[in-house]
Amino acid sequence: ETGVTQTPRHLVMGMTNKKSLKCEQHLGHNAMYWYKQSAKKPLELMFVYSLEERVENNSVPSRFSPECPNSSHLFLHLHTLQPEDSALYLCASSQEIGTLGGYTFGSGTRLTVV
Amino acid sequence: DAKTTQPPSMDCAEGRAANLPCNHSTISGNEYVYWYRQIHSQGPQYIIHGLKNNETNEMASLIITEDRKSSTLILPHATLRDTAVYYCIVSPMAAGNKLTFGGGTRVLVKP
Repeated sequence: ETGVTQTPRHLVMGMTNKKSLKCEQHLGHNAMYWYKQSAKKPLELMFVYSLEERVENNSVPSRFSPECPNSSHLFLHLHTLQPEDSALYLCASSQEIGTLGGYTFGSGTRLTVV
Repeated sequence: DAKTTQPPSMDCAEGRAANLPCNHSTISGNEYVYWYRQIHSQGPQYIIHGLKNNETNEMASLIITEDRKSSTLILPHATLRDTAVYYCIVSPMAAGNKLTFGGGTRVLVKP
C-alpha cells in the first residue's frame, strides 16, 4: 500500500458503457495526476490537478473526463471508449506539481475495452 | 527537458551489485537526475535523485559524473524483488514541471 489507492484494480467495459475510475490519497498532497500506460509504450501524462484545479490536459480525447472534487480524490470518467483505450491507468500525487522526487503512485486500474 | 538514454534491458545476478547507466549529455545546470522504478503490474516508485553530488539512501546510490553528462544507479545487493523497469529522468526542480517517462531499462535479476 503506497498511500494512493485506486479502484477498481481491473475493469472490463463495452464501448457503449460509462464507468469511472477512482483515486484516493490521504498524504496531504496538493497535486494529483492521471497517467496512461499502454502495452510496450512509456507512461503518458493525461491530466494534472493542483488544489482541485485542472492545470493540464495533454490532448486527451473528450471520452476521458477527469474530476477532482477535493484534494484527496480524483476520478476519471469514461464513456464510449475504443478498444485502443485498453491500458493501465495510473493515478499519482505529489506535495506540489514541481516536487518531482516525491510522486506517489497507486497500483493502477487495468482497463480492457471490448 | 534534457533527453536521457538508457539501455533497453540488462540482466543482473542476485546478490551482486547492479549498475544501471544513464546518459544525459544535454543536461542543463539546473536539472536534477531522478530515478524511479516500476515493478510489474504496479505504479512507479521513487528511488533517488541528485543534482551533482553523489547520493545514497536505503534503496540505492546515485553516482553522477563530474561533467554531469551521465550517471549510474547502483543497487548494492540486487535481489529478485529488484526485477523491474528503471527510469532515469532529467528535469529542473521547478514549479510547474511534471514527471515524464521514457522507455527505461528492463532489469532482470537472476538467481
